[in-house]
Amino acid sequence: DTGVSQDPRHKITKRGQNVTFRCDPISEHNRLYWYRQTLGQGPEFLTYFQNEAQLEKSRLLSDRFSAERPKGSFSTLEIQRTEQGDSAMYLCASSLGKPREGGTSYNEQFFGPGTRLTVL
Amino acid sequence: AQKVTQAQTEISVVEKEDVTLDCVYETRDTTYYLFWYKQPPSGELVFLIRRNSFDEQNEISGRYSWNFQKSTSSFNFTITASQVVDSAVYFCALLPGGGNKLTFGTGTQLKVEL
Repeated sequence: DTGVSQDPRHKITKRGQNVTFRCDPISEHNRLYWYRQTLGQGPEFLTYFQNEAQLEKSRLLSDRFSAERPKGSFSTLEIQRTEQGDSAMYLCASSLGKPREGGTSYNEQFFGPGTRLTVL
Repeated sequence: AQKVTQAQTEISVVEKEDVTLDCVYETRDTTYYLFWYKQPPSGELVFLIRRNSFDEQNEISGRYSWNFQKSTSSFNFTITASQVVDSAVYFCALLPGGGNKLTFGTGTQLKVEL
């Protein structure tokens, strides 16, 4: 397994367009997270899934944002009617979510390379 | 509410110097986890270490060491004999016990020059 992957790595769009990002987590991980990072700031939590269920959403996730994880594997994050303020790095992470027998490292979140969105 | 403060915005050192990155956190939880991540210019966050709130043992991994002190709510990170490849933004983060949302600090940009 090569880790968390995200596609595309870069996206430039015009204001008002819709965009969709994809995240493929580490295969044995049942939890998947989306974060947003703006310049000079740390990542901020957007939402997370346990398997296919979306269990928590941040107030940052306006109604123009929707995330899915239809089969509990990959996830998509869609932004409708993009605005210039949506320009940021969108990071995906995954974790085991439950202790593995004999192991203790179950809640470490491993991040993908991110999708950098620029809205013109 | 959770909060992580990294007061140092940017640090510049000369190669082979030791450098300490500070992290102070706030939480009302009795069980929590602290993390350090490295973000090189490529942008990917690289996991470095996780610490449990009930384990205050300091840890050393090669040139990296971490000093966790609950009494001062600090989790500082020291790089010994810094190298140019250590240049990156370093983030400290907090996860409440049983929670799922990482709260990050604003990061410290470390520049290691020859």
